[in-house]
Amino acid sequence: DAGVTQSPTHLIKTRGQQVTLRCSPKSGHDTVSWYQQALGQGPQFIFQYYEEEERQRGNFPDRFSGHQFPNYSSELNVNALLLGDSALYLCASSFKGGRMAEAFFGQGTRLTVV
Amino acid sequence: QKEVEQDPGPLSVPEGAIVSLNCTYSNSAFQYFMWYRQYSRKGPELLMYTYSSGNKEDGRFTAQVDKSSKYISLFIRDSQPSDSATYLCAMSASTNAGKSTFGDGTTLTVKP
Repeated sequence: DAGVTQSPTHLIKTRGQQVTLRCSPKSGHDTVSWYQQALGQGPQFIFQYYEEEERQRGNFPDRFSGHQFPNYSSELNVNALLLGDSALYLCASSFKGGRMAEAFFGQGTRLTVV
Repeated sequence: QKEVEQDPGPLSVPEGAIVSLNCTYSNSAFQYFMWYRQYSRKGPELLMYTYSSGNKEDGRFTAQVDKSSKYISLFIRDSQPSDSATYLCAMSASTNAGKSTFGDGTTLTVKP
């Protein structure tokens, strides 16, 4: 079982550019959540995708958008990058019908905006 | 004020010590309480979770939840240098653990 995989692992972008991050969930999982983790802070919930639709959203601007594909993989897109968007972006996968509150994280994509 | 507050640390203990990590929260809707371990430059790893109040034990780790006080703890017995990491508490109002609210973490160093 490959677990949750994210790509790329590191990325450097210029302010104003756009970026796309990718996530493949753990086998058997159908729900993908994205988090932003700034240095020294806990992960902050961005949004969650299930059945190819955004189901829940945290307090993030519309510059943050996403997509989920039929194979449950997901993308996070960030437009008009700001210096403050520099962070570790984490993908978590879970199973919607599960009775247990389990979510598994990938290793993250470290985004640096210069 | 944040919904979840975690003792900031950092914490440094000798090998073999008992470690106590703590979080408080303000949202009464939280029903599921998780502890994650995060090594430097890695994603969080789920250690254990509990539902509602009570204790749960898994090897050297014990999680406690006191909903009346809105207070949760993680105890690590016989701490090892390999336990050195940042510990994150997280909480969810439902089994939808993909939407959790996290504390800011406590960094633990266990010295040989």
